Amino acid sequence: QSALTQPPSASGSPGQSVTISCTGTSSDVGGYNYVSWYQQHPGKAPKVMIYEVSKRPSGVPDRFSGSKSGNTASLTVSGLQAEDEADYYCNSYAGSNNFVFGTGTKVTVL
Amino acid sequence: QVQLQESGPGLVKPSETLSLTCTVSGASMSTYYWCWIRQPPGKGLEWIGYVDYSGRTNQNPSLKSRVTISTDTSKKQFSLKVNSVTAADTAVYYCARGDFVRFLFDYWGQGTLVTVSS
Repeated sequence: QSALTQPPSASGSPGQSVTISCTGTSSDVGGYNYVSWYQQHPGKAPKVMIYEVSKRPSGVPDRFSGSKSGNTASLTVSGLQAEDEADYYCNSYAGSNNFVFGTGTKVTVL
Repeated sequence: QVQLQESGPGLVKPSETLSLTCTVSGASMSTYYWCWIRQPPGKGLEWIGYVDYSGRTNQNPSLKSRVTISTDTSKKQFSLKVNSVTAADTAVYYCARGDFVRFLFDYWGQGTLVTVSS
């Protein structure tokens, strides 16, 4: 299975929105509504921000939202804050109890 | 609260076997899936595989022939072995809890760097 494709970088000013894409195939992103997104600050373990395409775990701000169309999922961070600067990874169920991560996107708050 | 902690050697010689253990506290090992995920320096995350409380496992097809994952529920631990390692196996290795109802990894260890070098 190949890694899901994400843009290497994205940026926005405080208060603005940034959207990150995650492109897979019909065997992973397009085939299941089991896309999750993880935020990773330098030197830290990843933290889940979105699961099942658009659901937020308890404690995650509603500034984070997710969606999916076909083989591409997206994460939108609205009202950007300094602490949102991090690496973001998508993950998708790929069938047969396998999972695949995205290539990662570095979000910079200008 | 749920906590996971990786342990094991930080340096492994090429062609040898990498062995790590993850100790779980604050949660029962039943119901969930116990996963290994790695991240080479400066690169992205790679799912390695999981073991459930009964010992059933699954591994990333690209690593399957070299990876063994097992569990010792009496000690609340699960383990990873990767044999015939090369420099490409140098990475931060994370253990994580997999919730396969919501299909997410909700609790992670802090990660441990394993370097493959002679």
